[in-house]
Amino acid sequence: DGGITQSPKYLFRKEGQNVTLSCEQNLNHDAMYWYRQDPGQGLRLIYYSQIVNDFQKGDIAEGYSVSREKKESFPLTVTSAQKNPTAFYLCASMSSGRSPYNEQFFGPGTRLTVL
Amino acid sequence: AQKITQTQPGMFVQEKEAVTLDCTYDTSDPSYGLFWYKQPSSGEMIFLIYQGSYDQQNATEGRYSLNFQKARKSANLVISASQLGDSAMYFCAMRGLTGNQFYFGTGTSLTVIP
Repeated sequence: DGGITQSPKYLFRKEGQNVTLSCEQNLNHDAMYWYRQDPGQGLRLIYYSQIVNDFQKGDIAEGYSVSREKKESFPLTVTSAQKNPTAFYLCASMSSGRSPYNEQFFGPGTRLTVL
Repeated sequence: AQKITQTQPGMFVQEKEAVTLDCTYDTSDPSYGLFWYKQPSSGEMIFLIYQGSYDQQNATEGRYSLNFQKARKSANLVISASQLGDSAMYFCAMRGLTGNQFYFGTGTSLTVIP
């Protein structure tokens, strides 16, 4: 079955620690995205990548870092510089191309709680 | 600049009735796509329906239809014959011709009442 996996589903970390959220897709999609969602709010873009070894900052990139060494993987690191990291994190992918009609496919999300 | 606006934070609908969730957008791209996603309490985002800006007909997908009014820049989602399982957050999103970035609205929380 093709899809996007995110692990872990729930993650707890102590304040001041870095933590890495995993995102893997087997859809052969070129583009991958990370979003943050706070309670009762919409999705805010953290980073996105259109091809391997390339990525762009989204609206709220401060305190986060990413890498794209393989097409199927786009891990997100939440660093200690991120002041309010407790949130729900969603990874998405999309087959790239000039058409604006390709939808994004989403993973199940990771709920991060900083203690 | 691209922007999506959803002005209804919460909506209630009686089971088996129809409901319309509003979405307006702003873009300077001549070609764009409009999308609706459903987010149940479990958190995953489920793609429901899309509308292309040059599509002549309104999109339909089962009980979901999109009331697309290009001149008004609106793309409202209509859910017919509501079911209890339709209770969820609903997000409108847009992607333009330039770039691969999606823009999401703040969502509407729909509650279906038995």
